[in-house]
Amino acid sequence: DQQVKQNSPSLSVQEGRISILNCDYTNSMFDYFLWYKKYPAEGPTFLISISSIKDKNEDGRFTVFLNKSAKHLSLHIVPSQPGDSAVYFCAATSGGQGAQKLVFGQGTRLTINP
Amino acid sequence: DVKVTQSSRYLVKRTGEKVFLECVQDMDHENMFWYRQDPGLGLRLIYFSYDVKMKEKGDIPEGYSVSREKKERFSLILESASTNQTSMYLCASNSGSQPQHFGDGTRLSIL
Repeated sequence: DQQVKQNSPSLSVQEGRISILNCDYTNSMFDYFLWYKKYPAEGPTFLISISSIKDKNEDGRFTVFLNKSAKHLSLHIVPSQPGDSAVYFCAATSGGQGAQKLVFGQGTRLTINP
Repeated sequence: DVKVTQSSRYLVKRTGEKVFLECVQDMDHENMFWYRQDPGLGLRLIYFSYDVKMKEKGDIPEGYSVSREKKERFSLILESASTNQTSMYLCASNSGSQPQHFGDGTRLSIL
């Protein structure tokens, strides 16, 4: 039972345009969400997070939006750069920011074309 | 900068062998985690530890055990390796409400 789903295995975007990665969840107890980025042969690195008390969090070129009623979150990258090409995982947890048990989605491979 | 080091990048073992995967972190983190990553399934939590000698099962603990004798080291043990345990294994650590920091992974093949 996949509680966190990333339904697009891959996404291709032109350099300079906006990349939008989507994530859906089923567990209404999830209250903290994170995005990780993973390059080949490296471990995932933390990118950005959002608490369920917010609907938007922004960090430079990266913005995460949360729609609790739809149980949906999205990561926007603008403008997209070649170095953004990687696999992106969304993750969710219940128990707030200090909770430790993360549930990950399947990942979306983002390719930025020059 | 946080460093999570996994002892092997690639490992090939035979069915039925006992396999040890080692992970060391250098930031005095109290929490450590073992995940496996498989295509189409993302990362799944096997076990985690919130203190020395303490452990909790994750979502897929069957066929695995763990050991945390020292704060900086967390070992994943495959008691009797099987081919369905061929995977990428990722170790992570954190402290308090910080995001988890991951090692670069061990690609394990069971023949």
